[in-house]
Amino acid sequence: DGGITQSPKYLFRKEGQNVTLSCEQNLNHDAMYWYRQDPGQGLRLIYYSQIVNDFQKGDIAEGYSVSREKKESFPLTVTSAQKNPTAFYLCASRTGTGAGTEAFFGQGTRLTVV
Amino acid sequence: AQRVTQPEKLLSVFKGAPVELKCNYSYSGSPELFWYVQYSRQRLQLLLRHISRESIKGFTADLNKGETSFHLKKPFAQEEDSAMYYCALPNAGGTSYGKLTFGQGTILTVHP
Repeated sequence: DGGITQSPKYLFRKEGQNVTLSCEQNLNHDAMYWYRQDPGQGLRLIYYSQIVNDFQKGDIAEGYSVSREKKESFPLTVTSAQKNPTAFYLCASRTGTGAGTEAFFGQGTRLTVV
Repeated sequence: AQRVTQPEKLLSVFKGAPVELKCNYSYSGSPELFWYVQYSRQRLQLLLRHISRESIKGFTADLNKGETSFHLKKPFAQEEDSAMYYCALPNAGGTSYGKLTFGQGTILTVHP
């Protein structure tokens, strides 16, 4: 069954802790993305990667870090420097970064800081 | 910098009424735009793309370069159209090549 898998579905973090969100895809897509979804603010781009071992900051990268060591995987770490980490996080992938290519999304991870 | 603006956070219509979800963009170049939809408890998914000039589930969207708009329209809304809709703009060049920008989203509610 091909697609994008995000885990866990729900995640609770204590203040001051780092936490890593997993995103795996078996679609053989080169490009992967992380977005944050907040009510009234839509989808905001955190980081994106066009190819293995390469990634770029999006619009709200502060307090986050990523790696792209394998084509299938693009984990997102929410660090203690992120001031307001409670949100819904979405991972996406595309075949390439050509303008007309469709993005496919995971089911999301809801992170709550307690 | 590229930008996508959806001015309406919420839009309510009655079943059978026409609906238009607005999307405006700023982009230096020839844009390729998308509409994505997120139904309740489902993944965000592609609804339609400008390049295909298609009609999906009765929705259409026309790129108006003069007004820098890509509004989504449907002549007769159905209750099952209730969802969150996002307009999206991929960057095909420049320093932000590969970037995919979404608007703020519009929650459409179709009342019976």
